[in-house]
Amino acid sequence: AQSVTQLDSQVPVFEEAPVELRCNYSSSVSVYLFWYVQYPNQGLQLLLKYLSGSTLVESINGFEAEFNKSQTSFHLRKPSVHISDTAEYFCAVSGYTGRRALTFGSGTRLQVQP
Amino acid sequence: NAGVTQTPKFQVLKTGQSMTLQCAQDMNHEYMSWYRQDPGMGLRLIHYSVGAGITDQGEVPNGYNVSRSTTEDFPLRLLSAAPSQTSVYFCASSGQGANQPQHFGDGTRLSIL
Repeated sequence: AQSVTQLDSQVPVFEEAPVELRCNYSSSVSVYLFWYVQYPNQGLQLLLKYLSGSTLVESINGFEAEFNKSQTSFHLRKPSVHISDTAEYFCAVSGYTGRRALTFGSGTRLQVQP
Repeated sequence: NAGVTQTPKFQVLKTGQSMTLQCAQDMNHEYMSWYRQDPGMGLRLIHYSVGAGITDQGEVPNGYNVSRSTTEDFPLRLLSAAPSQTSVYFCASSGQGANQPQHFGDGTRLSIL
């Protein structure tokens, strides 16, 4: 069984400030880790993923996440946010074996203010 | 490249009515799934399929039926709609392997009165 906890339901931040969205997971098996972003009235889009190798992964729009196995965390960070980053962000895991479905956290709404 | 297409985008039903939410993908993906999204709960898996002719239940399957007669299509049926099924429904597909990212449709917003 797997579970994902996103500790903050909403994160307000001013434009150009840094931000961290927290994600912790629990699983009895090894997992793959994902961050998805959902803009208003749209589906989810993959932001970045950790599969293996380097524990720091980056997206094309400046976000990065670091896999920490000992703390079972996969926090998402951006050093300087833009208004266009306003969206809901979901952390998700899938186990190496068995059902391929994602287990999602409850989401964090990032609100970037001017 | 259409990706994952869901229809309709919006629907209002009365309690007890039945309907089918359509999902089609053009990426030749084996794996398809249905999720429902409710405020503060993230997305929860309803049903999934690992290939044509094979389906299985997820976390919240009660009140829903699925079938997978082709690789491309994975419809979700509400047998007798209830207000508790008011939600946003997302269909997703992915290639082989748990490391493959899932591709999502734009969702169907369903209200049950």
